[in-house]
Amino acid sequence: GQQVMQIPQYQHVQEGEDFTTYCNSSTTLSNIQWYKQRPGGHPVFLIQLVKSGEVKKQKRLTFQFGEAKKNSSLHITATQTTDVGTYFCAAGGGADGLTFGKGTHLIIQP
Amino acid sequence: DGGITQSPKYLFRKEGQNVTLSCEQNLNHDAMYWYRQDPGQGLRLIYYSQIVNDFQKGDIAEGYSVSREKKESFPLTVTSAQKNPTAFYLCASSRLDSRTDTQYFGPGTRLTVL
Repeated sequence: GQQVMQIPQYQHVQEGEDFTTYCNSSTTLSNIQWYKQRPGGHPVFLIQLVKSGEVKKQKRLTFQFGEAKKNSSLHITATQTTDVGTYFCAAGGGADGLTFGKGTHLIIQP
Repeated sequence: DGGITQSPKYLFRKEGQNVTLSCEQNLNHDAMYWYRQDPGQGLRLIYYSQIVNDFQKGDIAEGYSVSREKKESFPLTVTSAQKNPTAFYLCASSRLDSRTDTQYFGPGTRLTVL
């Protein structure tokens, strides 16, 4: 199946600073999905990217899919305490399920 | 979320016992999945099912078993053969649609082996 590497594993930021997590694959991905898991909670779908070079925004969150469809990023502008959690990228899907990255844990210091 | 329920929320098991985790969905999704999450780690696929009475092994199926007798239900049994079963277990479901592969997760079951 498709493998995805996600970095960094942990990211500490001051509230108000920006945050970025990166997802990389050695193979071309058909699509990439992003999920957020709050502490003690379960993953919740954020977005799916399908097209080469695609950029989507959700308020302070910006998602990008690389031109070669081998990498993706999630950028949060001016982090807030509500952004705390683990952000996962996931590839594949369809009948065989998703392959998740190990996630980036976002820790925000007030 | 929303249409997937898992029970129990917390489960304690003695070594050598089999336990069954429940997962029910009312989203009319064809596909259902079981993942395992260890502290600070990502999700690893245990089993998945695309249709009733059919299921496939995921990456870490050893020591686990499943059944899919109804579209709405996909219970997972953690057997005594699973060497390190303490983990957070997540059930998910999705439509089998190539354009929309979003997975919807249940609240999870935290299993602790005593």
